[in-house]
Amino acid sequence: DVKVTQSSRYLVKRTGEKVFLECVQDMDHENMFWYRQDPGLGLRLIYFSYDVKMKEKGDIPEGYSVSREKKERFSLILESASTNQTSMYLCASSLGVGVANEKLFFGSGTQLSVL
Amino acid sequence: QKEVEQNSGPLSVPEGAIASLNCTYSDRGSQSFFWYRQYSGKSPELIMFIYSNGDKEDGRFTAQLNKASQYVSLLIRDSQPSDSATYLCAVWGYQLIWGAGTKLIIKP
Repeated sequence: DVKVTQSSRYLVKRTGEKVFLECVQDMDHENMFWYRQDPGLGLRLIYFSYDVKMKEKGDIPEGYSVSREKKERFSLILESASTNQTSMYLCASSLGVGVANEKLFFGSGTQLSVL
Repeated sequence: QKEVEQNSGPLSVPEGAIASLNCTYSDRGSQSFFWYRQYSGKSPELIMFIYSNGDKEDGRFTAQLNKASQYVSLLIRDSQPSDSATYLCAVWGYQLIWGAGTKLIIKP
């Protein structure tokens, strides 16, 4: 089974702090994604990556950056955390580009609270 | 703006009945369609995917796709209380577009 591991289940940070959310997948997947999920708003894509050292902006990249130095690891960085970034953050991976390869496997999520 | 629409619910279904969840999408070029189940406080998990018009069955679940009408459905037969969750529809064209989900409640 594909395993996507997020480093923290719950995280509490203060406004202005730099926050790192780590995600590791163990199935040699090409694609990795960061979403945030808020009640009533569904899943919103922050950033994604189709290859090592490659990144693409999603729908809501403002205030975030990412790093993918190794294929299995995709990090989300909040440069200066703000209260409106309080949310559930979900990391996901998929096998590769193509009609049959877009099935996503999610990590267990990180509930981030910014005070 | 490409969109995927779902009724937010909650949809309440008696145990043992058929639950029918619907999803419409705006992009006619969409190629693959996914249903994810998300229990409260958990992350989404893939339960069904369909690429071609018609029905696809997997156990108690059936996905139905009608590209001409731009809708995809998920039927759950013999509904169980453990099926109570939010069901997310996702549609892939050149990117994955998510619906906001339908909350399903199965009443014993």
